[in-house]
Amino acid sequence: EPEVTQTPSHQVTQMGQEVILRCVPISNHLYFYWYRQILGQKVEFLVSFYNNEISEKSEIFDDQFSVERPDGSNFTLKIRSTKLEDSAMYFCASSEEQEKETQYFGPGTRLLVL
Amino acid sequence: AQSVSQHNHHVILSEAASLELGCNYSYGGTVNLFWYVQYPGQHLQLLLKYFSGDPLVKGIKGFEAEFIKSKFSFNLRKPSVQWSDTAEYFCAVNARAAGNKLTFGGGTRVLVKP
Repeated sequence: EPEVTQTPSHQVTQMGQEVILRCVPISNHLYFYWYRQILGQKVEFLVSFYNNEISEKSEIFDDQFSVERPDGSNFTLKIRSTKLEDSAMYFCASSEEQEKETQYFGPGTRLLVL
Repeated sequence: AQSVSQHNHHVILSEAASLELGCNYSYGGTVNLFWYVQYPGQHLQLLLKYFSGDPLVKGIKGFEAEFIKSKFSFNLRKPSVQWSDTAEYFCAVNARAAGNKLTFGGGTRVLVKP
């Protein structure tokens, strides 16, 4: 069964550094999403992406965040200058055209900002 | 904005016991409803979903959920749990008028004792 994959599984970075989290969505999916879960808190929506542009974003997704689909398979989340409060588990998800509401999640990247 | 609450943070039960996890949402419009499960060390997996039609939906691994519109609830049930059902369970809601984003509940950790 096809799955969403994410790399790396864990990343430790220094405050102020840039990080790029990578995701490979399911191959025939056209809608892509990033969510995050701060330890002990709810899973929160960050951004959705369709047709090479952001379709929706939350208040969390400020100018420090950006997303990109650099090629036909990868979907990336960049945090330009990480803050301590960016430490969280970041989940990528994707969904297909015919049933875009049903999202399939990757295993997550655990980001720790020191 | 929609919100989702799950009544129990932790549930401990023995094998063969029945399980019911509560989920309530607040949103006045039409919604799609989901239950996801996260087994230890694994990614979020879709258990079941409700879009329309029969309010009693059946999912994988013997789980079912009932949508009660008047109560804004979507409770998850399983008549007889197994040790392998030990996991964290997340209720999520998509408000159809608000794009594809999912709003998650806080999750319920279920421990099934053998």
